[in-house]
Amino acid sequence: AQSVTQLDSQVPVFEEAPVELRCNYSSSVSVYLFWYVQYPNQGLQLLLKYLSGSTLVKGINGFEAEFNKSQTSFHLRKPSVHISDTAEYFCAVSGFATGGFKTIFGAGTRLFVKA
Amino acid sequence: DVKVTQSSRYLVKRTGEKVFLECVQDMDHENMFWYRQDPGLGLRLIYFSYDVKMKEKGDIPEGYSVSREKKERFSLILESASTNQTSMYLCASSPRRLNEKLFFGSGTQLSVL
Repeated sequence: AQSVTQLDSQVPVFEEAPVELRCNYSSSVSVYLFWYVQYPNQGLQLLLKYLSGSTLVKGINGFEAEFNKSQTSFHLRKPSVHISDTAEYFCAVSGFATGGFKTIFGAGTRLFVKA
Repeated sequence: DVKVTQSSRYLVKRTGEKVFLECVQDMDHENMFWYRQDPGLGLRLIYFSYDVKMKEKGDIPEGYSVSREKKERFSLILESASTNQTSMYLCASSPRRLNEKLFFGSGTQLSVL
């Protein structure tokens, strides 16, 4: 079975400050890891994904994430946030399941960027 | 661009009604998924399908069923709607490869009164 835990439900931060959104996962099989973002009143879109290779993954809008296998974590970071980064962020894992593969999401982290 | 289209943006139904939520994708994707999104709970997988006429239960299938008669269409059915099924429903699709991202529809906000 797979599960995803996002450790913070809300993260308030001032503009131009750094931010880290934490994600831990568990799985009995190999998985692929994703971060998606949902801006207010919009659909989900992919920020970045980790498949293999380098543990530091760069995504869109200046975000990056680091895969840590020993800690089963995939934390999302940005060195300097903008007001426009205010959104909900979802960590997700994809792995094989009965009949195919499935993607499981965490509960989400709401990022509030304040001026 | 891949397009995943959900038939209704907003839907209001009464308890006990049978409800159909339709989803169509135009990129010949093998995999299709239905999630519900609730505040504080994120996205929870209801059902998924990796081929025509195939379906697999997700984490919260109770009270739901699905149909996939054609590759491009994946329907979610609420046999007898209840108030606790009021939610945002998201359809997604992806190619067969495991490492591909999901493409999401814009969602259907269902209210059951």
